[in-house]
Amino acid sequence: GENVEQHPSTLSVQEGDSAVIKCTYSDSASNYFPWYKQELGKGPQLIIDIRSNVGEKKDQRIAVTLNKTAKHFSLHITETQPEDSAVYFCAASRGTGGFKTIFGAGTRLFVKA
Amino acid sequence: GAVVSQHPSRVICKSGTSVKIECRSLDFQATTMFWYRQFPKQSLMLMATSNEGSKATYEQGVEKDKFLINHASLTLSTLTVTSAHPEDSSFYICSAKVAARVNSPLHFGNGTRLTVT
Repeated sequence: GENVEQHPSTLSVQEGDSAVIKCTYSDSASNYFPWYKQELGKGPQLIIDIRSNVGEKKDQRIAVTLNKTAKHFSLHITETQPEDSAVYFCAASRGTGGFKTIFGAGTRLFVKA
Repeated sequence: GAVVSQHPSRVICKSGTSVKIECRSLDFQATTMFWYRQFPKQSLMLMATSNEGSKATYEQGVEKDKFLINHASLTLSTLTVTSAHPEDSSFYICSAKVAARVNSPLHFGNGTRLTVT
């Protein structure tokens, strides 16, 4: 079945450094790729998304890149801050059918002050 | 906009009792809502897709008689864990999309921590 692989599972960076999380998807029909941030004891919150007709998208310190040929997409966080510490999930979905979203396993990001 | 409210945030119940969790879309209509289960330090596991006015679609391995889903209106879906047992203890999260808009994000509730003693 469809699968999304996410790496690394844990990432520790110093405040001010950049963090990069990478995902690979298997379903070539996927055309929508959201990223979610989940803080402890809360539900995931959308932080950025990208559609398959776009190669890169940026929102302040957060950017996402998509390589459709390789079926890779990545999240880049620059100038990390302690409040960026959380679990990040990538996801992939099709625009048709039952709107099923496939999630990666998650990356636990620690930003050390 | 696109706020999903989930209630209760925490519940403790005794083994053998049933627990109902509510998921409401506060400022939009959701024809489809999704229910997830999340184990500690793991990803979101889709349990079922809740469709307004019709039966829910359950993922393989999820007991429909154990996890009853009702989606009676465009803003409310409920998950009832029947005859709960300690192994049902988990973090349950609902989500919804704005109507039937494709290529749009899921909006999540803040989850319900269920503990069965």
